[in-house]
Amino acid sequence: DAGVTQSPTHLIKTRGQQVTLRCSPKSGHDTVSWYQQALGQGPQFIFQYYEEEERQRGNFPDRFSGHQFPNYSSELNVNALWLGDSALYLCASSSLSGGLGGAGGQYFGPGTRLTVT
Amino acid sequence: KNEVEQSPQNLTAQEGEFITINCSYSVGISALHWLQQHPGGGIVSLFMLSSGKKKHGRLIATINIQEKHSSLHITASHPRDSAVYICAVRSRVNYQLIWGAGTKLIIKP
Repeated sequence: DAGVTQSPTHLIKTRGQQVTLRCSPKSGHDTVSWYQQALGQGPQFIFQYYEEEERQRGNFPDRFSGHQFPNYSSELNVNALWLGDSALYLCASSSLSGGLGGAGGQYFGPGTRLTVT
Repeated sequence: KNEVEQSPQNLTAQEGEFITINCSYSVGISALHWLQQHPGGGIVSLFMLSSGKKKHGRLIATINIQEKHSSLHITASHPRDSAVYICAVRSRVNYQLIWGAGTKLIIKP
């Protein structure tokens, strides 16, 4: 089992560009959550996808959008990049059948480090 | 005031010392997670607790639901334990994870 995988590992973009990050969940997991972690800070929840729909969303602007595919993999898209979007983007997968209450733990991918210049 | 508070923010200790990292929270939770983040970013889930105590190797995690407090202990610490340790709670209201700021642990040989 490869666990949660993310691609690419590193990415450099310029202001105003658009970026797409990808995540494949752990085998057997159906829920994908995305987090943004700025340098020196804890991860901030962006949104969560289940059954190809956005189920929950944190306090992020509409420039941040996502998608979940039938095979449960997910993409995070960020439009009109700002310098402040430079961060580590983490994907976590879990199994909703474990209950939203947390009977199923979250497994994290290694992250994609995005640098906006 | 943050909903999840960790202490200390930074901790440097000698190899072999017993380490304790604390987490206090102010919201109703369904579970509490302890996670480890190494330089470069990868996060590993260490424990998920809803009550009592869990042990895995040299790691022990406890939680007191009434006091809204959890501790992570590392026995016989080793330089490879150097990492940021993060406490995160799952809100009972909206099921989102609320993260602490992390504790940066350095174990010197």
